[in-house]
Amino acid sequence: AQSVAQPEDQVNVAEGNPLTVKCTYSVSGNPYLFWYVQYPNRGLQFLLKYITGDNLVKGSYGFEAEFNKSQTSFHLKKPSALVSDSALYFCAVWGLQTGANNLFFGTGTRLTVIP
Amino acid sequence: DSGVTQTPKHLITATGQRVTLRCSPRSGDLSVYWYQQSLDQGLQFLIQYYNGEERAKGNILERFSAQQFPDLHSELNLSSLELGDSALYFCASSVEGRKGNTIYFGEGSWLTVV
Repeated sequence: AQSVAQPEDQVNVAEGNPLTVKCTYSVSGNPYLFWYVQYPNRGLQFLLKYITGDNLVKGSYGFEAEFNKSQTSFHLKKPSALVSDSALYFCAVWGLQTGANNLFFGTGTRLTVIP
Repeated sequence: DSGVTQTPKHLITATGQRVTLRCSPRSGDLSVYWYQQSLDQGLQFLIQYYNGEERAKGNILERFSAQQFPDLHSELNLSSLELGDSALYFCASSVEGRKGNTIYFGEGSWLTVV
């Protein structure tokens, strides 16, 4: 089965510092990778995706992600964290699980930006 | 605002009952997805429709069913509800439902089974 893993349940970072939320993937073939963010009591919001091309993908709200094929990683980054970035972040991969070819999500990483 | 509309936002019902969740996709999107988010299972893909036809089925229980209507709105029916069905149910949509399409999510329907 194809999947993504988010090794950290919780990430804390000081406001103004760079942030990284980690994601590793396991897929056969070329991976289609996504990041979403979920604010409290809200739905998932699309941040960015990697399909092909440049390994550095820029997305919404100043976020970017770097696709690294050799390390099978797709870490989410932001140069300077804001308190308003505090939320739950999900990495996802388009893959095949239980016979369904669809978008499957990691377990999520809760980011807390400390003022 | 993603453009995906879900109703109701919250509902509380008793075990054994049946509920229907409704979803209107973004304008122009032909594919609708249903996901379940719970504390113990995380975000689980349930089912996908494309232009009225079922396209993919994930971890959807037999007690659950869905359909997409000619006007492209979709309904998720949950029956014989159990306490463990309490969760946040998301509807999402995309243009074609193909690999790599961006999927846009609604704000979800909170279901509490008591």
